[in-house]
Amino acid sequence: DTAVSQTPKYLVTQMGNDKSIKCEQNLGHDTMYWYKQDSKKFLKIMFSYNNKELIINETVPNRFSPKSPDKAHLNLHINSLELGDSAVYFCASSRSSLGRNTDTQYFGPGTRLTVL
Amino acid sequence: AQRVTQPEKLLSVFKGAPVELKCNYSYSGSPELFWYVQYSRQRLQLLLRHISRESIKGFTADLNKGETSFHLKKPFAQEEDSAMYYCALSNQAGTALIFGKGTTLSVSS
Repeated sequence: DTAVSQTPKYLVTQMGNDKSIKCEQNLGHDTMYWYKQDSKKFLKIMFSYNNKELIINETVPNRFSPKSPDKAHLNLHINSLELGDSAVYFCASSRSSLGRNTDTQYFGPGTRLTVL
Repeated sequence: AQRVTQPEKLLSVFKGAPVELKCNYSYSGSPELFWYVQYSRQRLQLLLRHISRESIKGFTADLNKGETSFHLKKPFAQEEDSAMYYCALSNQAGTALIFGKGTTLSVSS
């Protein structure tokens, strides 16, 4: 059973388009995250949701909008895609993010977004 | 500022040689530190965390508050250890991880 899944795995699109990446976790975790990994493999937190509530939004352009329909899903919508958005996007989840974050984060396989 | 520094982008060693992947951090208070690993074509996964004081796949990491370091060590590298290794720090609010830029470990025979 896949713990954290993302779709699609690859996404190639034109500049200016709007696209979505879906993430689902079947671990019963309370907290989900989106990370961006750039071309130099640098991983940076974008968003964090706890029980469907946004708890972190790290200086991400408002073209990026996460949506959490329920605790098991955190989707990422990107409007007006730009060349600089090309990256690998990772979804992750952890049991809880209340207080000190010592819980293991479980990562999805990543979605490689290429903007042409 | 909270920050994780991994000074080496690439570390190449021969099989059987000792390995040390460096990680330094900047943090006020008591940090929560982790090592994550990404093998080729696999997802990022937790390798170990300092609070557990465990050894996974022969790797250990000791938190040195005086040197603000959390270096990852293994006495004898294996080819299957080749991967990208990320050191990570829990942010002050405990709501996300701050990752270093990663070190690629390449073990050759």
